[in-house]
Amino acid sequence: DAKTTQPPSMDCAEGRAANLPCNHSTISGNEYVYWYRQIHSQGPQYIIHGLKNNETNEMASLIITEDRKSSTLILPHATLRDTAVYYCIVSPPRDSGGSNYKLTFGKGTLLTVNP
Amino acid sequence: DADVTQTPRNRITKTGKRIMLECSQTKGHDRMYWYRQDPGLGLRLIYYSFDVKDINKGEISDGYSVSRQAQAKFSLSLESAIPNQTALYFCATSERQSREQFFGPGTRLTVL
Repeated sequence: DAKTTQPPSMDCAEGRAANLPCNHSTISGNEYVYWYRQIHSQGPQYIIHGLKNNETNEMASLIITEDRKSSTLILPHATLRDTAVYYCIVSPPRDSGGSNYKLTFGKGTLLTVNP
Repeated sequence: DADVTQTPRNRITKTGKRIMLECSQTKGHDRMYWYRQDPGLGLRLIYYSFDVKDINKGEISDGYSVSRQAQAKFSLSLESAIPNQTALYFCATSERQSREQFFGPGTRLTVL
């Protein structure tokens, strides 16, 4: 699986957009970018995923660069409850064969939303 | 009601004791996983199961065993607990065709 690099921490003011970057320069053509978050000591929560195109759901937007070597997770209006560790994960497509089940969680980015 | 439940939520035990952590799910998912998380680190995969008859080791399976009693139940055992197994343990589930995993609330295990 491609390795990801994220800043260890970021701050954001409440109500502002939070932009969390992720570098995945070794990503393969068929690998997806997934984002999860973990609010203090709770189980991780799926946020969004994408392959090439930008994606948006009720939680966030995902912007993937044209060369796919980096991406940005955007929380459009951050709240105090968005304070969490955010994980960027690169993974092969579902059931592409073999043991392609795995999500490898790194250390992520601790986002602190300040009042 | 929670879709993925774990019991117990907290456990303190002594070195050498046998411990079982249980996970149940009502999502109807085929796949189940056990992860551990140490302070300041990401999650590491211990074991995973694609169905009742398909159980596989993850990256840190030494010292652990699992049992998939039914589609909905996946248990993690520490045969002889040691202090460096003190950690937060998460169970997760997923559908066969998905990378979206649903996590339980976690079990905080302390081995003295």
